[in-house]
Order: sequence, then structure tokens, then C-alpha cells
Amino acid sequence: EDQVTQSPEALRLQEGESSSLNCSYTVSGLRGLFWYRQDPGKGPEFLFTLYSAGEEKEKERLKATLTKKESFLHITAPKPEDSATYLCAVQSFQIQGAQKLVFGQGTRLTINP
Amino acid sequence: GAVVSQHPSWVICKSGTSVKIECRSLDFQATTMFWYRQFPKQSLMLMATSNEGSKATYEQGVEKDKFLINHASLTLSTLTVTSAHPEDSSFYICSASLASGSTDTQYFGPGTRLTVL
Repeated sequence: EDQVTQSPEALRLQEGESSSLNCSYTVSGLRGLFWYRQDPGKGPEFLFTLYSAGEEKEKERLKATLTKKESFLHITAPKPEDSATYLCAVQSFQIQGAQKLVFGQGTRLTINP
Repeated sequence: GAVVSQHPSWVICKSGTSVKIECRSLDFQATTMFWYRQFPKQSLMLMATSNEGSKATYEQGVEKDKFLINHASLTLSTLTVTSAHPEDSSFYICSASLASGSTDTQYFGPGTRLTVL
């Protein structure tokens, strides 16, 4: 059974204080690892897809990396508007049907000005 | 691109009534859409997978007679909560799947807040 564990559960940073969020996963065959951002009362917003170990993707202050067992979301010099819950999800190869996502519990990130 | 809308954004209804939620992919066609439920400070829980022109596939423990799903076109899926009760109050989110590279990316709607009195 595919599993995703995110840590920490919550993280408070000062504006400009860089850090990383962790996503550990076990999957039978990784088709893709996804990062989403979710603001309170809204649907998740797609950020990145990573396909294979060693891959990296960047968007503004965010950089996602992938190994065979985990993914990191690095946030550099964050701003208060980066405050949100960050969700990690994996998609595995399935014999038939749509490709479901298995989500982690998320990391609630708060950036204090 | 890849915009998904939901309607309504919030709804309040009386116990015993039925509520329909619409999910639309605005700028792409989606063979597959998904319906999730989210409780406060929890992650998304997949309820069902909706495929255009066929019956939905429900996750274990989800009552298919209570949560009716119809995927009538490549841009529209609906979720009807039948005979709603207070315990059905929740945040319902849909997503639409778009092929991207070697995988399918799910793009999410803004969610619908259901309150059953």
C-alpha cells in the first residue's frame, strides 16, 4: 500500500528564514510525486511534479527535490504570503483505471513578518 | 490554463434535503475527475473517481447511494449528497485530471463548503 508521511506537521519561520519540508514515501512504482499548496478554505494549487530520483524543480522561492525515498520542498527567504499548508502526494503505476493520488497529512507553514 | 471551477462555493441546507455540487474543467477536457472530502486541519480524503460516460468508482466506506456522482461530459461532473444529515457537513473538493508528460496531473477546484442544519 502506498504511503506518504510529511514532516514537520507545522512550522513557524521568520520572514527571510529559509527551511525545508520533508515528504517520505513508500510506493510500489512511482509514476509521479506532486507538491500542492493549499490556502485555508480553498482547493489545493498545483506546484510541481517530480518523476525520478535526482530531479529538481524551482518556482520563485520554492525548490522541490526527489530521492528514491523522500522529497524535500526547500523554501528560500520566505515571505508572509508563502504561509499555507503544503501537501505532498504520490501517484503509482496501476493496472487499470485512473491514477489516484495518495496524500500526506500536510505541513502547515507560517511565515511571521 | 488548467482551471477547475465548482458551484456553489458554499451551501446551507436542512437535514433530509439533497444538494448538488458541480465541478467543471473550464479550459481542458477531463476524462477523469475525482471527488474529495476534507475535514478541518486534515488532509484530503478521496471519495470517488468519476469517469466520463461510465459509473463512478467509490472508495471503501463511501456510500454510493448517498453520494451520487454523474460525469455526463468531458467538462462536467456532479456530486449529489442525498438526504443530507449534519454529519455530511464538510468541505468537498473536486479535481480534474490532465495528461502531462508521463503522468496525469490533478487540478483542483476551489471547494464547496456544505453545512447541514
